[in-house]
Amino acid sequence: DGGITQSPKYLFRKEGQNVTLSCEQNLNHDAMYWYRQDPGQGLRLIYYSQIVNDFQKGDIAEGYSVSREKKESFPLTVTSAQKNPTAFYLCASSYRDSSDYTGELFFGEGSRLTVL
Amino acid sequence: KNQVEQSPQSLIILEGKNCTLQCNYTVSPFSNLRWYKQDTGRGPVSLTIMTFSENTKSNGRYTATLDADTKQSSLHITASQLSDSASYICVVSSAGGVTGGGNKLTFGTGTQLKVEL
Repeated sequence: DGGITQSPKYLFRKEGQNVTLSCEQNLNHDAMYWYRQDPGQGLRLIYYSQIVNDFQKGDIAEGYSVSREKKESFPLTVTSAQKNPTAFYLCASSYRDSSDYTGELFFGEGSRLTVL
Repeated sequence: KNQVEQSPQSLIILEGKNCTLQCNYTVSPFSNLRWYKQDTGRGPVSLTIMTFSENTKSNGRYTATLDADTKQSSLHITASQLSDSASYICVVSSAGGVTGGGNKLTFGTGTQLKVEL
């Protein structure tokens, strides 16, 4: 079945450590995204990529980094520079913008990061 | 600033009852509006999309409405089931942005629905 796989589901990090969240999709989508979800807030965009080897900062990119070396993969690194990293992280993908693009996002199951 | 406001913040209903969730938005220029369902600890899944010219659209027991003049949308759930317990998120897309494939997405904070026996 086609879909988006995020791992790990749960992750604990000590302060000062970098951690990397994995996101893989087999939907043949060009665009991929990382969102952060906090209680009582709407999803906030961290980074997005519309094509391999290219990515753009979203609204809250500080303290995060990404890479897009393959169409199927878009890993997110939460660095020690992110001051409040405890959150639920969602990876998504979509068709690239075109005349019939309707903006639907296909989400993974999420990764919950907790800083100890 | 583009904003999407949802009400109520949370709702508890008995199984079999109907309910209506509200979404008010100030997003311009408007492209479309989606309702997503997010089960606890899972990723959101799209329920329905409303474009400017559409007033009502159904997906099984879910019926969405859109009033583009007042910038309001509602999601009506008929004959609720325990499996309807989830967060329902309203997402409005504005054309011409550079986020998300050319469309700028603004997310509401969601309505947390709990269906009880």
